[in-house]
Amino acid sequence: EPEVTQTPSHQVTQMGQEVILRCVPISNHLYFYWYRQILGQKVEFLVSFYNNEISEKSEIFDDQFSVERPDGSNFTLKIRSTKLEDSAMYFCASSRDGNTEAFFGQGTRLTVV
Amino acid sequence: GIQVEQSPPDLILQEGANSTLRCNFSDSVNNLQWFHQNPWGQLINLFYIPSGTKQNGRLSATTVATERYSLLYISSSQTTDSGVYFCAAYAGNNRKLIWGLGTSLAVNP
Repeated sequence: EPEVTQTPSHQVTQMGQEVILRCVPISNHLYFYWYRQILGQKVEFLVSFYNNEISEKSEIFDDQFSVERPDGSNFTLKIRSTKLEDSAMYFCASSRDGNTEAFFGQGTRLTVV
Repeated sequence: GIQVEQSPPDLILQEGANSTLRCNFSDSVNNLQWFHQNPWGQLINLFYIPSGTKQNGRLSATTVATERYSLLYISSSQTTDSGVYFCAAYAGNNRKLIWGLGTSLAVNP
């Protein structure tokens, strides 16, 4: 069964460093998403991506964040200068047409020290 | 935007017991999904159920769209069912999932 894959599963980084989280969405899906979950809190939407551009972003998704689809398979989230409060689980998701089921990757646990 | 509320917030069961988790939402939904977050933090898709009833083994879900709620049933619970159960939904032209706070389930042997 097709699945969304994320790498790495866990990343530790120093405050101020840049990180790139990687995702491979399901191949025939058109909508891609990043969500974030701070430990013990609910999952929050960060950004959606369709047709090679951002279709919607939350207020969390400020200038420190960017997304890219560098080739036909990968979808990345970059945090330019990490802060302690960026420590969270980051989930990538994809859906076929934006109106149907969203499938989630296993997550990347980011720890900023 | 749509509001999603889950109840109960916490639930403790003995192995073998049955349970019902509830998700209320404030608007008509295009998408409603149930997830299980395991102790390692991974989100497992359980059901995509904007309306109707589905079953998968010991789990089943029902969404009554006209009354704006969904129920997740767990029968004959096992310790591996422990974790947090989330429902998430979106409505209208809004294609981002809005999440409830989850129900934290502990199944004791």
